[in-house]
Amino acid sequence: DAGVTQSPTHLIKTRGQQVTLRCSPKSGHDTVSWYQQALGQGPQFIFQYYEEEERQRGNFPDRFSGHQFPNYSSELNVNALLLGDSALYLCASSLEGIRVNTEAFFGQGTRLTVV
Amino acid sequence: AQSVTQLGSHVSVSEGALVLLRCNYSSSVPPYLFWYVQYPNQGLQLLLKYTTGATLVKGINGFEAEFKKSETSFHLTKPSAHMSDAAEYFCAVSDVRLTGGGNKLTFGTGTQLKVEL
Repeated sequence: DAGVTQSPTHLIKTRGQQVTLRCSPKSGHDTVSWYQQALGQGPQFIFQYYEEEERQRGNFPDRFSGHQFPNYSSELNVNALLLGDSALYLCASSLEGIRVNTEAFFGQGTRLTVV
Repeated sequence: AQSVTQLGSHVSVSEGALVLLRCNYSSSVPPYLFWYVQYPNQGLQLLLKYTTGATLVKGINGFEAEFKKSETSFHLTKPSAHMSDAAEYFCAVSDVRLTGGGNKLTFGTGTQLKVEL
């Protein structure tokens, strides 16, 4: 079992550019959540996808968007990058449905640096 | 809205000493509580979780935590620290909806644990 995999591991972008981060959930999981972890901070919830739809969203602007594919993998897109978007982006997968609050497994993250 | 407060952004202990990392939560519904550990340049690994039932929860690597509703606390302890325990620890509360899940986690700001010889 490969667990949650994220790509790329590191990324450097210029202000104003757009970026796409990718996540493959743990085998058997159907829900993907994205978190932003700024340096020295705890992860902040961006949004969650289930059945290819955004189910919940945190306090992030519309520049942050996502997608979930039929195979449950997910992408996080950020447009018009700002210096403040520099952070570790974490993907977490879990199994929902009738099972309440199953454990969320995290990937190793993508380190995004905006210059 | 739910929130978590971790007291002490940095904690330093001697190897073999007791580890105590503090976490207080705020929740309008019965909370599900978690402790995660993060090693440098890594993702988060679940140490333990409280959902329902026994309030003393045992996790991996010798860690345990006790849910105290009256104190709204979920402190993490380990009787004897090891050098390999040096990492950042995050307490989190889950936003659980009765309709079948959610798993949105609200994290504290973390506590960096340093273990000295």
